[in-house]
Amino acid sequence: AQTVTQSQPEMSVQEAETVTLSCTYDTSESNYYLFWYKQPPSRQMILVIRQEAYKQQNATENRFSVNFQKAAKSFSLKISDSQLGDTAMYFCAFMFAGGTSYGKLTFGQGTILTVHP
Amino acid sequence: GAVVSQHPSWVICKSGTSVKIECRSLDFQATTMFWYRQFPKQSLMLMATSNEGSKATYEQGVEKDKFLINHASLTLSTLTVTSAHPEDSSFYICSVRGTAYYEQYFGPGTRLTVT
Repeated sequence: AQTVTQSQPEMSVQEAETVTLSCTYDTSESNYYLFWYKQPPSRQMILVIRQEAYKQQNATENRFSVNFQKAAKSFSLKISDSQLGDTAMYFCAFMFAGGTSYGKLTFGQGTILTVHP
Repeated sequence: GAVVSQHPSWVICKSGTSVKIECRSLDFQATTMFWYRQFPKQSLMLMATSNEGSKATYEQGVEKDKFLINHASLTLSTLTVTSAHPEDSSFYICSVRGTAYYEQYFGPGTRLTVT
């Protein structure tokens, strides 16, 4: 079974600064996807970024980028130029890309990020 | 992406009664939907995978007789919590799998409070 670990329960950052959220995972599979989801106070889950395990290049979406270290099984999220609207709970998630588990998400414990003005 | 709605957004029920939560895919034919449970400030836990026209597949530890899932059409899946107890109080979230298997679109969630 896959496990996803987020070791930072809470983090805070000043507006316009950069913050990095950590995530590690454990799997014996080689073909999978990793995600970062954002859950603001509304509790609506929003996809932030996706990384395919077979791609060496780190995914980037505007101010959001990841540092994917496959050998180390590490998948951190960097938020640049933090904005007040980035305040949310962030979840790292794993999805095995095959078999009967395809499409099933395993989430980490979450990191509450607060952006201060 | 798909637009997913849930109804109700918040429900309060008495212990021992049953409550039904609806998950609708408004603009996408959803052959597969997922149901998650989330406790306050905690992670999402997958409860079951719902496939249109077939029985749901439940994750280990989830009581299938307590959490009844029906996916009778390509736009609607329902979760019925039977004989609800206070410990069933939680936030229930559904999601729709998109065209690509890695795509998943989430509903806004339903808060269930059992008194």
